[in-house]
Amino acid sequence: DAGVIQSPRHEVTEMGQEVTLRCKPISGHDYLFWYRQTMMRGLELLIYFNNNVPIDDSGMPEDRFSAKMPNASFSTLKIQPSEPRDSAVYFCASSPYAYSKNTEAFFGQGTRLTVV
Amino acid sequence: EDQVTQSPEALRLQEGESSSLNCSYTVSGLRGLFWYRQDPGKGPEFLFTLYSAGEEKEKERLKATLTKKESFLHITAPKPEDSATYLCAVRGPYGGATNKLIFGTGTLLAVQP
Repeated sequence: DAGVIQSPRHEVTEMGQEVTLRCKPISGHDYLFWYRQTMMRGLELLIYFNNNVPIDDSGMPEDRFSAKMPNASFSTLKIQPSEPRDSAVYFCASSPYAYSKNTEAFFGQGTRLTVV
Repeated sequence: EDQVTQSPEALRLQEGESSSLNCSYTVSGLRGLFWYRQDPGKGPEFLFTLYSAGEEKEKERLKATLTKKESFLHITAPKPEDSATYLCAVRGPYGGATNKLIFGTGTLLAVQP
């Protein structure tokens, strides 16, 4: 398996523009997570899905952020409109069924977002 | 509120100088403590999962241990390639939105030759 695949790897956009980040989880994993990483706050969970259904979006900072998972192999995180404070590295991760022992999350390489 | 605190924030070692990283946690009903390694420009890479106090796991020069309040990542005779940020995370109990990992802010380890 190629692991969790994220695109793009780097994104530079102007304030006010719409940004869409993409993720392909590991095949067969039931859970998909979106994290944001900054120097100040470390890794923060934004939202996670179970079998394509959003379970917990309490970490989504505000209504400008939205996430979808239309099928088991694809998810998007959208920011509209983007602001400079959204600049961070965004990670997608996936993990198998929660009640098994092997429930660690596997991370993608991340998307470095810069909003100018 | 579930919380994870890692110390020190940064650690500089000479090659061969053994040391330990600390992860203190508060969570109601621990359902796994996880250690990850993160290299610059990459996503976190899974190292270990510990489930109960007294459990230990080893991988090359790394050994992770767990008590009811904290976990240690012991690094024996480190090499420069062990330089990375080490992240600790916990998962809480069953019920509700329970499959999320709560991360600490990490320890940046630099091993000098």
